[in-house]
Amino acid sequence: DIHMTQSPSSLSASVGDRVTITCRASQSISNYLNWYQQTPGKAPKFLIYAASSLQSGVPSRFSGSGSGTEFTLTITSLQPEDFATYYCQQNYITPFTFGPGTKVDIK
Amino acid sequence: QVQLQESGPGLVKPSGTLSLTCTVSGGSVSDTNWWTWVRQPPGKGLEWIGDIYHSGTTNYNPSLKTRVTISIDKSKNQFSLNLTSVTAADTAIYYCAREGRNRAFSWFDPWGQGILVTVSS
Repeated sequence: DIHMTQSPSSLSASVGDRVTITCRASQSISNYLNWYQQTPGKAPKFLIYAASSLQSGVPSRFSGSGSGTEFTLTITSLQPEDFATYYCQQNYITPFTFGPGTKVDIK
Repeated sequence: QVQLQESGPGLVKPSGTLSLTCTVSGGSVSDTNWWTWVRQPPGKGLEWIGDIYHSGTTNYNPSLKTRVTISIDKSKNQFSLNLTSVTAADTAIYYCAREGRNRAFSWFDPWGQGILVTVSS
């Protein structure tokens, strides 16, 4: 199985801050990398596929980059609704695997 | 737009079988999509369980493969999850989702709201 890690595991930020989350894969997955956002009590929400392609309707303050084994999710100008847990997920090969999540909370 | 809704018992006894159904509305399970199950133990991360194509072809997570069966019922526009020999470690929120695809890329969207299944006597 491909093992996914994320850093940091949590971070505190303020509205308007720029936030960067890193996701690493245990082997190269090209750009077969998705990002999801989950708020408490809700199902995950799909944000980005192919490492950098924004899902329709997702605000442009979200962006993704990377390939191979290292990827980043960046949120420019954090908004109140962005306080959530973010997960990366590889779809390079089954079993599909998720990172452990990064919780973004209010400073 | 496509919506998914999980249903089934919220409590299952240890060594029993967990059975859940996902009902699809606004679309058809016969569409050229894969349909998937993901679970999340309370307060923990996400684990992919497996998926099914409208033809009935399945993929399972090897960690659960000996205990899991995913099936599809086109007449009811549903797909289902069966997990046998459950233990407390199977207590989780279970989500169903559609696997969207663009060329070789796939993702989970939309998701059902999730259903909490507790394994306890």
